[in-house]
Amino acid sequence: DADVTQTPRNRITKTGKRIMLECSQTKGHDRMYWYRQDPGLGLRLIYYSFDVKDINKGEISDGYSVSRQAQAKFSLSLESAIPNQTALYFCATTPGTGNTGELFFGEGSRLTVL
Amino acid sequence: QKEVEQNSGPLSVPEGAIASLNCTYSDRVSQSFFWYRQYSGKSPELIMSIYSNGDKEDGRFTAQLNKASQYVSLLIRDSQPSDSATYLCAVNQGYSTLTFGKGTMLLVSP
Repeated sequence: DADVTQTPRNRITKTGKRIMLECSQTKGHDRMYWYRQDPGLGLRLIYYSFDVKDINKGEISDGYSVSRQAQAKFSLSLESAIPNQTALYFCATTPGTGNTGELFFGEGSRLTVL
Repeated sequence: QKEVEQNSGPLSVPEGAIASLNCTYSDRVSQSFFWYRQYSGKSPELIMSIYSNGDKEDGRFTAQLNKASQYVSLLIRDSQPSDSATYLCAVNQGYSTLTFGKGTMLLVSP
């Protein structure tokens, strides 16, 4: 089983719908991140969290919200999805100590907004 | 806006050759740098990190850092078809919040 699990892996939805992408990890890491990847734009940071009481905006947080329900769970929500949120979304984790920059990624959630 | 620039490629090399991947970054105070490999349809995985000026070698991979020129490179010796992937350069902005380049696609032909 994957150490960082994302659900759903694929989702097609319509404009205006609310969508939640979930991430759970068994690595025991404190820090969790949500990135989106678009062709030609690379990976961009949406939100990150260092513990259940700490949520931080990344480069492109507009239109998104997050919830850190537990150390192991970090969810990304799109309150009213729009077509330009069509992308591949990755959850990632890293230990809470040090500053290694080694991120462990989930398998990705491909979201299509029609 | 802190930027990380990479040539998108594709970079095509024959099997056994040296592949050279390059990256520049805009934030002069950046201290740590990373190369991730991403196979098509898969998630990125860390292959190299470098923190000091100079070279760092790990098997067939060598990372090179020149902070004065704000330049990071990755050399892959004896390239194999299995090295065909997109290589992402990343810069740590603090607390493992990474800024990624757009990636360079490498194609190694048999």
